[in-house]
Amino acid sequence: EAQVTQNPRYLITVTGKKLTVTCSQNMNHEYMSWYRQDPGLGLRQIYYSMNVEVTDKGDVPEGYKVSRKEKRNFPLILESPSPNQTSLYFCASSLMAGANTGELFFGEGSRLTVL
Amino acid sequence: GEDVEQSLFLSVREGDSSVINCTYTDSSSTYLYWYKQEPGAGLQLLTYIFSNMDMKQDQRLTVLLNKKDKHLSLRIADTQTGDSAIYFCAESDTDKLIFGTGTRLQVFP
Repeated sequence: EAQVTQNPRYLITVTGKKLTVTCSQNMNHEYMSWYRQDPGLGLRQIYYSMNVEVTDKGDVPEGYKVSRKEKRNFPLILESPSPNQTSLYFCASSLMAGANTGELFFGEGSRLTVL
Repeated sequence: GEDVEQSLFLSVREGDSSVINCTYTDSSSTYLYWYKQEPGAGLQLLTYIFSNMDMKQDQRLTVLLNKKDKHLSLRIADTQTGDSAIYFCAESDTDKLIFGTGTRLQVFP
């Protein structure tokens, strides 16, 4: 089954404790992206990757890191989480970037709470 | 910068039509999209329209695009309780999609 898998789905952590949210897709997609969803703000892009070893900042990259060592995986790293990073996070992928990036396939989301 | 705006809530009676509206700023967008997010799930592509089209119909869904006013709408005919969800419009940029804030559609019996 074609899917984007995120883990963990739910996490409660404390300020400053490094964490990683994994994302894996099995569709051989080139393009992958991380978003955060906050009430009243919609989805905002954190980082994206056009292909292996190519990553770029989105609209809200501060406090986050990513890597793209393999095509299927795109982990999101919070080196020192803070309470303002409490949010619902989505990983998404698409076949390729460009004008028709829009057919994004989303994971089910990871709800993160930072105390 | 680019901005996509939607109203936050819409409430309709089952069987009525729903119209969800969206305004965007980037006139160079090639495609405009509607995504649906059901409770506890990720977003799923519902439909999209190419920027040189005015209208697209797909079963109960009708998308209208007014490029002059940069206005996009999604009409759902015969709205059902299963249509209750958050609906996001999005415009395409070179490397990304820009999403609106989402409209929460509530369908009551």
